[in-house]
Amino acid sequence: QSALTQPASVSGSPGQSITISCSGTSSDIGSNNAVSWYQQHPGKAPKLIIYEVTKWPSGVSNRFSGAKSGNTASLTISGLQAEDEADYYCCSHAGIRHWVFGGGTKLTVL
Amino acid sequence: QVQLVESGGGVVQPGGSLRLSCVASGFSVTNYAMHWVRQAPGKGLEWVAFIRYDGTLTYHADSVKGRFTIFRDDSKNTLYLQLSSLRGDDTAMYYCAKEDYPANPFDLWGRGTLVTVSP
Repeated sequence: QSALTQPASVSGSPGQSITISCSGTSSDIGSNNAVSWYQQHPGKAPKLIIYEVTKWPSGVSNRFSGAKSGNTASLTISGLQAEDEADYYCCSHAGIRHWVFGGGTKLTVL
Repeated sequence: QVQLVESGGGVVQPGGSLRLSCVASGFSVTNYAMHWVRQAPGKGLEWVAFIRYDGTLTYHADSVKGRFTIFRDDSKNTLYLQLSSLRGDDTAMYYCAKEDYPANPFDLWGRGTLVTVSP
């Protein structure tokens, strides 16, 4: 199973909005709504920020939002803050009880 | 407090074996599916293995199938990953993760345990 495709890096200034894309296939993103996003700060464990394409876990800011169209999912972060600087990973269910992650995107807050 | 704590990592020679543990607190592993996910140094996340809430069904990624085995001990509320025939590309931080339901597969993560495969 190939990894989902994400841009290696994105950047934005405080207060701006950025969008990270996550490209898959009809066998993963295109076939289900089990798309999730994770934030990982250096040296830390990943943290769930979006699940089931658009839902927020308790305690996660609504500045994070998710969407999906066809075989591509996206994560938008609005009102960028310095604390948002981290790596972001998308993930999709990809067959019977198999999951695939994206390669990760490094977000830099300028 | 709901948390996961991994242990058992270390340095092992190629071809060697290791058993990783993940102790769950604040919930019962018999009520939730659980996963192992790994991350090679400086690389992205890779799903490794899954065990269903009732412990009767497991799946492993093709990259580890036949070499790694996920299982659990309900009496200890602990998840395990048995690693064997280890290779250099198995070097990674290994995380256990709890699944809320299939569309929300990794809603809680542990801090991870590092496995280094080196001669």
